[in-house]
Amino acid sequence: DAGITQSPRHKVTETGTPVTLRCHQTENHRYMYWYRQDPGHGLRLIHYSYGVKDTDKGEVSDGYSVSRSKTEDFLLTLESATSSQTSVYFCAISESWTLSEKLFFGSGTQLSVL
Amino acid sequence: EDKVVQSPLSLVVHEGDTVTLNCSYEVTNFRSLLWYKQEKKAPTFLFMLTSSGIEKKSGRLSSILDKKELFSILNITATQTGDSAVYLCAVEDGGTSYGKLTFGQGTILTVHP
Repeated sequence: DAGITQSPRHKVTETGTPVTLRCHQTENHRYMYWYRQDPGHGLRLIHYSYGVKDTDKGEVSDGYSVSRSKTEDFLLTLESATSSQTSVYFCAISESWTLSEKLFFGSGTQLSVL
Repeated sequence: EDKVVQSPLSLVVHEGDTVTLNCSYEVTNFRSLLWYKQEKKAPTFLFMLTSSGIEKKSGRLSSILDKKELFSILNITATQTGDSAVYLCAVEDGGTSYGKLTFGQGTILTVHP
C-alpha cells in the first residue's frame, strides 16, 4: 500500500471553529490532492498541490485553504467550520500529472461539524 | 463542465449472480476512464480504460469503454460477498495542468450469501 497517513481519523467540532486536517506521505510524490465525499456527489476535488508551496483550487474550494511547506505534508484548513462541511475527507497522491492508474488514496477523515 | 453519472445507485444480489454497473460521461478532453472499489475506507484502483485500451479483464471483473456512446460498463461474474462495496467511476480530463478527475456518485453493491 502507498504510504499515506491522514490525521485525525475522526473529528467532531463546533460551527465557527477552525479545523486543520493533515495528510502525510512517504512516497515522495509531487502531486497531492484533497477530496471530499458526500452521499449523492461522489468525490469532489477541493484543492491540489503540484509542489512545495504550489497549490491551486479545485471545484469546491470555498471555505477551505491549504498549505504545503514540505513535500510530504499537505494540510487542509477549514477557516471557520460550517455544518455543510460535515463530510469524509480523502487525501490522494500521484507521481505524475497524468494520473493514469497511479493515484493513491488515504483512509479518510470523518469530520462532523455540529 | 465534466460530468459522470453512474447507474444503478444501488444493487442487491445473491452470491453467484452476475452484475453490470454502468457509467456514462461527458468530458471536455477525454484522457482516461477509471474504476475504483471502495470498501469503507480508501478507494482502490480496479481498471483504467483509454482510447488505446478499451477493454480490460481481471479475474471475475471486466470493463469496456465505448468512446462513441460515452459510456463504460463494469461486469462482475459469479459475485461473492467480498464484492460488496461502492464502485466508483471517474473520468480524467487531459486538458488541464493537473490530474483532473470527475467522479460519479458511485454504485453501492450488496452481495448476500
